[in-house]
Amino acid sequence: GAVVSQHPSWVICKSGTSVKIECRSLDFQATTMFWYRQFPKQSLMLMATSNEGSKATYEQGVEKDKFLINHASLTLSTLTVTSAHPEDSSFYICSARDEALAGGADTQYFGPGTRLTVL
Amino acid sequence: KQEVTQIPAALSVPEGENLVLNCSFTDSAIYNLQWFRQDPGKGLTSLLLIQSSQREQTSGRLNASLDKSSGRSTLYIAASQPGDSATYLCAVWVLDTGRRALTFGSGTRLQVQP
Repeated sequence: GAVVSQHPSWVICKSGTSVKIECRSLDFQATTMFWYRQFPKQSLMLMATSNEGSKATYEQGVEKDKFLINHASLTLSTLTVTSAHPEDSSFYICSARDEALAGGADTQYFGPGTRLTVL
Repeated sequence: KQEVTQIPAALSVPEGENLVLNCSFTDSAIYNLQWFRQDPGKGLTSLLLIQSSQREQTSGRLNASLDKSSGRSTLYIAASQPGDSATYLCAVWVLDTGRRALTFGSGTRLQVQP
């Protein structure tokens, strides 16, 4: 089946630094990738939709200048948390949609997540 | 705005029991509904996807049903095993501001006791 990887799997950083998280579709092309955030014991909240070759679409309440998204190729999207603060500590999960699947099933494949801890 | 609710929030059962997880959504104008499994600290594994024109899907010991008109879905797990212990998430595909997106419920944390 389709595989989505994320790197790093966990990261600890100091307050005020920037952290980049990569999301890759390993065996399929994804013109659309999604970034979610999950706080402990809560569900996934969509942060933004990443579109290859164009600007990301951010959900209401998500600061686009703080969470920079770059979808530079059909297999890679990056999320950069700029000037991270302790309240940004969370589990970040990406997903990628396999556009080539027939039937419009809108199948998304999820990455394993990245645990960010900001001290 | 679409809201997805899952009941119960947590469930503990002895091994071998059949169980039902419930999911409800407020807006019946959905494309698809999907059930996921999430192990602690891990990403999501898709279990079943039900397209809006379908009423149920089955995979092994799992059966998911969809009733769009009432805004409900159930995930039935037969003969539960300790390895089924995880959080189960229900998500619906909606058309929101011209694009498709997934809206997740808060999940049901399942513990199957050996």
